Amino acid sequence: GIQVEQSPPDLILQEGANSTLRCNFSDSVNNLQWFHQNPWGQLINLFYIPSGTKQNGRLSATTVATERYSLLYISSSQTTDSGVYFCAVERTSNFGNEKLTFGTGTRLTIIP
Amino acid sequence: DAGVIQSPRHEVTEMGQEVTLRCKPISGHNSLFWYRQTMMRGLELLIYFNNNVPIDDSGMPEDRFSAKMPNASFSTLKIQPSEPRDSAVYFCASSHNPPANWVEAFFGQGTRLTVV
Repeated sequence: GIQVEQSPPDLILQEGANSTLRCNFSDSVNNLQWFHQNPWGQLINLFYIPSGTKQNGRLSATTVATERYSLLYISSSQTTDSGVYFCAVERTSNFGNEKLTFGTGTRLTIIP
Repeated sequence: DAGVIQSPRHEVTEMGQEVTLRCKPISGHNSLFWYRQTMMRGLELLIYFNNNVPIDDSGMPEDRFSAKMPNASFSTLKIQPSEPRDSAVYFCASSHNPPANWVEAFFGQGTRLTVV
């Protein structure tokens, strides 16, 4: 199956700092999503971004499908940004639609 | 829309008991997914349905697990008998998928299952 690698695995930053999270995947995909899992365990959709660039407030994401990676940018980080960020991808093969496969996540801790 | 609704939010049960987790997908969505999250294995897909039909159940751990989707607005995941290693957070997700294409999936708040 498709491999999804996220880096770094852990990131500790001071409030106000900027960060870049990376997601590499091993095959062509037709769906890529970024999620934030907050300290209460809830998975929150951030971006649906199989290609191109999107922005939502302090967050933005870019996917370069031809090079098989996606980046999530967090600017002016706040303590509420703490949690685990997951990248998940999906592809369609000759065998039909395949499952949404998650990376292992980046644990972000923002220190006041 | 209220989003994907799962119940219960927390479940504590004794080993050997039957456990039933419930999910109501977002209205209009035609695909439903059950995921399990553990520290060791991360988020893994158990089974998914499209138009109420199970498409891929290769992630279901063993025969103790079963899932049903009797209609477009309801699904259950049942574990019988439950074992301590089944302790995890179980997520349900739904999406609206046109033929041969996949779009954004939305997750419920999860059910935290503890089997003692």
